[in-house]
Amino acid sequence: GNSVTQMEGPVTLSEEAFLTINCTYTATGYPSLFWYVQYPGEGLQLLLKATKADDKGSNKGFEATYRKETTSFHLEKGSVQVSDSAVYFCALRSSNDYKLSFGAGTTVTVRA
Amino acid sequence: DADVTQTPRNRITKTGKRIMLECSQTKGHDRMYWYRQDPGLGLRLIYYSFDVKDINKGEISDGYSVSRQAQAKFSLSLESAIPNQTALYFCATSESGHYEAFFGQGTRLTVV
Repeated sequence: GNSVTQMEGPVTLSEEAFLTINCTYTATGYPSLFWYVQYPGEGLQLLLKATKADDKGSNKGFEATYRKETTSFHLEKGSVQVSDSAVYFCALRSSNDYKLSFGAGTTVTVRA
Repeated sequence: DADVTQTPRNRITKTGKRIMLECSQTKGHDRMYWYRQDPGLGLRLIYYSFDVKDINKGEISDGYSVSRQAQAKFSLSLESAIPNQTALYFCATSESGHYEAFFGQGTRLTVV
């Protein structure tokens, strides 16, 4: 079956630091990969996506590259802000599946 | 107004009580989902519906039931609540042929 493993948190950073959250997956077929973000008190919202190998998703200064050879989709941001404090979820959806499979989530706190 | 609205936002109930969580959407999507979020476990699918006449169990459906009253409404019921159903519940929608899911703000349920 499909599964997603992401690095455990919590992660605490200073403003303008570099952020990396690791995500690896197991899936049949050719999955699409996603990062969702959950800000305090809110639901999840799509941050970025990649639908095929070597695609790079990007949004709000975040990037992630779909690496089929390493089955990874690591999230990066070069300079974080306090407003990036949130829980980040890696997720996948296979081409023949009906649902998103989520990782456990990584809590990121950015301090001024 | 939010595109996916969940009510109530917070609820405390007693063990053995029946409780219903409601979800409505204005996005016009045909697919709707109920997930629960537990710390360290990510989001797990409870039930999903591809249209009004289609209801399917997810990975953790025991103890839950759903009703798709209309394309825009999908409710989740706990017939006899138990403490380990204490969690954050999310409703989500998606459009067939599209991978992105849109989430409500969540319902925090506590069973005492």
